[in-house]
Amino acid sequence: AQSVTQLDSQVPVFEEAPVELRCNYSSSVSVYLFWYVQYPNQGLQLLLKYLSGSTLVESINGFEAEFNKSQTSFHLRKPSVHISDTAEYFCAVSDLDSSASKIIFGSGTRLSIRP
Amino acid sequence: GAVVSQHPSWVICKSGTSVKIECRSLDFQATTMFWYRQFPKQSLMLMATSNEGSKATYEQGVEKDKFLINHASLTLSTLTVTSAHPEDSSFYICSASSGGEAFFGQGTRLTVV
Repeated sequence: AQSVTQLDSQVPVFEEAPVELRCNYSSSVSVYLFWYVQYPNQGLQLLLKYLSGSTLVESINGFEAEFNKSQTSFHLRKPSVHISDTAEYFCAVSDLDSSASKIIFGSGTRLSIRP
Repeated sequence: GAVVSQHPSWVICKSGTSVKIECRSLDFQATTMFWYRQFPKQSLMLMATSNEGSKATYEQGVEKDKFLINHASLTLSTLTVTSAHPEDSSFYICSASSGGEAFFGQGTRLTVV
Protein backbone atom coordinates (compact mmCIF):
# COMPACT_ATOMS: atom_id res chain seq x y z
CA ALA A 1 0.00 0.00 0.00
CA GLN A 2 1.05 3.54 -0.67
CA SER A 3 0.80 6.61 1.50
CA VAL A 4 1.59 10.28 1.08
CA THR A 5 2.59 12.75 3.78
CA GLN A 6 2.36 16.50 3.42
CA LEU A 7 3.82 17.86 6.63
CA ASP A 8 2.66 21.45 6.15
CA SER A 9 -1.08 22.02 6.29
CA GLN A 10 -0.66 25.73 5.60
CA VAL A 11 2.12 27.77 4.06
CA PRO A 12 1.82 31.56 4.09
CA VAL A 13 4.28 33.48 1.92
CA PHE A 14 4.63 36.98 0.56
CA GLU A 15 4.09 37.66 -3.10
CA GLU A 16 7.22 37.19 -5.21
CA ALA A 17 8.89 35.13 -2.48
CA PRO A 18 10.03 31.56 -3.13
CA VAL A 19 8.05 28.63 -1.77
CA GLU A 20 8.52 24.93 -1.16
CA LEU A 21 5.69 22.54 -0.39
CA ARG A 22 6.95 19.30 1.05
CA CYS A 23 5.80 15.83 0.10
CA ASN A 24 7.06 12.44 1.17
CA TYR A 25 5.69 9.12 0.08
CA SER A 26 5.83 5.51 1.16
CA SER A 27 5.49 2.56 -1.17
CA SER A 28 6.76 -0.98 -1.54
CA VAL A 29 6.60 -0.74 -5.33
CA SER A 30 7.55 1.80 -7.96
CA VAL A 31 5.15 4.69 -8.26
CA TYR A 32 4.03 7.63 -10.30
CA LEU A 33 4.00 10.94 -8.43
CA PHE A 34 1.73 13.92 -8.96
CA TRP A 35 0.97 17.38 -7.74
CA TYR A 36 -2.59 18.62 -8.12
CA VAL A 37 -3.96 22.10 -7.45
CA GLN A 38 -7.48 22.84 -6.29
CA TYR A 39 -8.99 26.30 -6.36
CA PRO A 40 -11.96 27.02 -4.07
CA ASN A 41 -15.08 25.00 -4.89
CA GLN A 42 -13.47 23.46 -7.93
CA GLY A 43 -12.18 20.07 -8.94
CA LEU A 44 -8.57 19.08 -9.23
CA GLN A 45 -6.16 20.20 -11.90
CA LEU A 46 -2.96 18.33 -12.62
CA LEU A 47 0.01 20.62 -12.00
CA LEU A 48 2.83 18.24 -12.85
CA LYS A 49 3.77 14.59 -12.72
CA TYR A 50 6.74 12.29 -12.54
CA LEU A 51 6.43 9.04 -14.43
CA SER A 52 10.03 8.23 -15.40
CA GLY A 53 13.14 9.83 -16.84
CA SER A 54 14.40 13.17 -15.59
CA THR A 55 13.80 13.56 -11.88
CA LEU A 56 13.06 17.28 -12.25
CA VAL A 57 9.66 18.05 -13.73
CA GLU A 58 8.20 21.43 -14.49
CA SER A 59 4.78 22.94 -15.00
CA ILE A 60 3.82 25.67 -17.43
CA ASN A 61 3.23 28.21 -14.65
CA GLY A 62 6.65 28.11 -13.06
CA PHE A 63 6.30 25.29 -10.54
CA GLU A 64 8.77 22.44 -10.44
CA ALA A 65 9.18 19.28 -8.42
CA GLU A 66 12.07 16.92 -8.00
CA PHE A 67 11.74 13.22 -7.44
CA ASN A 68 14.24 12.01 -4.87
CA LYS A 69 14.09 8.24 -4.57
CA SER A 70 16.56 7.94 -1.70
CA GLN A 71 14.60 10.42 0.39
CA THR A 72 11.22 9.27 -0.98
CA SER A 73 10.33 12.89 -1.57
CA PHE A 74 8.66 14.93 -4.30
CA HIS A 75 8.78 18.51 -3.03
CA LEU A 76 7.10 21.27 -5.03
CA ARG A 77 8.89 24.58 -5.53
CA LYS A 78 8.38 27.92 -7.17
CA PRO A 79 11.03 30.66 -7.14
CA SER A 80 8.55 33.54 -7.11
CA VAL A 81 4.87 33.15 -6.25
CA HIS A 82 1.94 35.24 -7.41
CA ILE A 83 -1.36 36.04 -5.75
CA SER A 84 -3.06 33.76 -8.26
CA ASP A 85 -1.13 30.79 -6.85
CA THR A 86 -3.31 30.87 -3.75
CA ALA A 87 -4.91 27.41 -3.65
CA GLU A 88 -4.80 24.00 -2.06
CA TYR A 89 -2.05 21.74 -3.33
CA PHE A 90 -2.20 17.96 -3.12
CA CYS A 91 0.66 15.57 -3.57
CA ALA A 92 -0.43 12.14 -4.82
CA VAL A 93 0.94 8.74 -5.70
CA SER A 94 -0.23 6.03 -8.03
CA ASP A 95 0.85 2.41 -8.04
CA LEU A 96 2.86 1.63 -11.18
CA ASP A 97 1.67 -1.94 -11.02
CA SER A 98 -1.95 -0.88 -11.31
CA SER A 99 -3.22 -0.20 -14.78
CA ALA A 100 -6.26 1.52 -13.36
CA SER A 101 -4.32 4.41 -11.82
CA LYS A 102 -5.91 4.50 -8.38
CA ILE A 103 -4.50 7.62 -6.78
CA ILE A 104 -3.77 8.16 -3.12
CA PHE A 105 -3.66 11.76 -1.96
CA GLY A 106 -1.80 13.56 0.75
CA SER A 107 -3.67 15.72 3.22
CA GLY A 108 -3.02 18.86 1.23
CA THR A 109 -1.18 22.14 1.80
CA ARG A 110 -2.99 25.43 1.67
CA LEU A 111 -0.79 28.03 0.03
CA SER A 112 -1.77 31.58 0.91
CA ILE A 113 -0.03 34.48 -0.75
CA ARG A 114 0.20 37.82 1.00
CA PRO A 115 0.63 41.01 -1.01
CA GLY B 1 -6.29 16.16 -22.37
CA ALA B 2 -9.24 13.91 -21.71
CA VAL B 3 -12.38 15.36 -20.15
CA VAL B 4 -14.39 13.98 -17.27
CA SER B 5 -17.73 15.59 -16.56
CA GLN B 6 -19.75 15.38 -13.37
CA HIS B 7 -23.39 16.25 -12.94
CA PRO B 8 -24.79 17.97 -11.04
CA SER B 9 -22.14 20.38 -9.80
CA TRP B 10 -24.16 21.01 -6.67
CA VAL B 11 -27.28 19.58 -5.11
CA ILE B 12 -29.34 20.21 -2.00
CA CYS B 13 -31.61 17.45 -0.78
CA LYS B 14 -33.77 16.67 2.20
CA SER B 15 -32.64 14.21 4.81
CA GLY B 16 -33.85 10.70 3.98
CA THR B 17 -33.93 11.14 0.23
CA SER B 18 -31.52 9.69 -2.33
CA VAL B 19 -29.25 11.60 -4.68
CA LYS B 20 -27.61 10.37 -7.88
CA ILE B 21 -24.36 11.83 -9.17
CA GLU B 22 -23.16 11.10 -12.70
CA CYS B 23 -19.59 10.86 -13.93
CA ARG B 24 -18.95 10.74 -17.65
CA SER B 25 -15.79 10.37 -19.69
CA LEU B 26 -16.54 12.60 -22.67
CA ASP B 27 -13.92 11.68 -25.22
CA PHE B 28 -12.55 8.35 -24.07
CA GLN B 29 -13.70 5.05 -22.68
CA ALA B 30 -13.04 4.21 -19.06
CA THR B 31 -13.34 0.66 -17.80
CA THR B 32 -12.47 1.94 -14.35
CA MET B 33 -13.53 5.10 -12.58
CA PHE B 34 -12.91 6.22 -9.03
CA TRP B 35 -15.11 8.04 -6.55
CA TYR B 36 -13.59 10.32 -3.92
CA ARG B 37 -15.05 12.27 -1.06
CA GLN B 38 -13.65 15.48 0.31
CA PHE B 39 -14.70 17.13 3.55
CA PRO B 40 -14.06 20.85 4.01
CA LYS B 41 -10.39 21.67 4.26
CA GLN B 42 -9.44 18.02 4.05
CA SER B 43 -7.92 15.78 1.46
CA LEU B 44 -9.65 13.51 -1.01
CA MET B 45 -10.47 10.11 0.36
CA LEU B 46 -10.97 7.27 -2.07
CA MET B 47 -14.41 5.75 -1.55
CA ALA B 48 -14.61 3.10 -4.22
CA THR B 49 -13.40 1.83 -7.55
CA SER B 50 -16.11 1.56 -10.17
CA ASN B 51 -15.65 -1.27 -12.67
CA GLU B 52 -17.59 -1.40 -15.91
CA GLY B 53 -19.83 -4.44 -16.01
CA SER B 54 -19.00 -5.66 -12.53
CA LYS B 55 -19.40 -4.76 -8.89
CA ALA B 56 -17.61 -1.80 -7.44
CA THR B 57 -14.77 -2.27 -4.99
CA TYR B 58 -15.25 -0.27 -1.81
CA GLU B 59 -12.55 1.04 0.49
CA GLN B 60 -12.57 0.01 4.09
CA GLY B 61 -15.17 1.83 6.12
CA VAL B 62 -17.33 2.86 3.15
CA GLU B 63 -20.88 1.49 3.29
CA LYS B 64 -21.66 -0.12 -0.04
CA ASP B 65 -25.40 -0.16 0.66
CA LYS B 66 -25.38 3.56 1.30
CA PHE B 67 -23.19 4.58 -1.61
CA LEU B 68 -24.46 2.64 -4.59
CA ILE B 69 -22.21 2.63 -7.63
CA ASN B 70 -23.27 1.59 -11.09
CA HIS B 71 -20.91 1.51 -14.06
CA ALA B 72 -23.23 0.45 -16.83
CA SER B 73 -21.21 1.66 -19.79
CA LEU B 74 -17.64 2.53 -20.69
CA THR B 75 -18.36 6.24 -20.37
CA LEU B 76 -20.69 6.50 -17.39
CA SER B 77 -20.49 5.73 -13.71
CA THR B 78 -23.10 6.82 -11.18
CA LEU B 79 -22.91 7.24 -7.44
CA THR B 80 -26.19 7.19 -5.53
CA VAL B 81 -26.21 8.38 -1.95
CA THR B 82 -29.17 6.56 -0.45
CA SER B 83 -31.17 7.84 2.50
CA ALA B 84 -28.91 10.84 2.76
CA HIS B 85 -28.25 12.47 6.11
CA PRO B 86 -26.56 15.75 7.00
CA GLU B 87 -23.29 13.95 7.74
CA ASP B 88 -23.21 12.86 4.09
CA SER B 89 -22.84 16.49 3.06
CA SER B 90 -19.53 16.69 1.27
CA PHE B 91 -17.75 17.31 -2.00
CA TYR B 92 -17.76 14.22 -4.21
CA ILE B 93 -15.26 13.91 -7.06
CA CYS B 94 -14.87 11.21 -9.68
CA SER B 95 -11.90 10.38 -11.83
CA ALA B 96 -11.12 8.24 -14.84
CA SER B 97 -7.86 7.27 -16.45
CA SER B 98 -6.69 7.73 -20.00
CA GLY B 99 -3.21 7.07 -21.27
CA GLY B 100 -1.97 6.33 -17.78
CA GLU B 101 -3.11 9.68 -16.43
CA ALA B 102 -6.06 10.34 -14.15
CA PHE B 103 -8.57 13.05 -15.05
CA PHE B 104 -10.98 14.47 -12.53
CA GLY B 105 -14.51 15.72 -12.76
CA GLN B 106 -15.30 19.18 -11.45
CA GLY B 107 -16.90 17.72 -8.35
CA THR B 108 -20.39 17.69 -6.89
CA ARG B 109 -21.17 19.53 -3.69
CA LEU B 110 -23.90 17.71 -1.81
CA THR B 111 -25.73 19.45 1.00
CA VAL B 112 -28.27 17.45 2.98
CA VAL B 113 -30.69 19.52 5.03
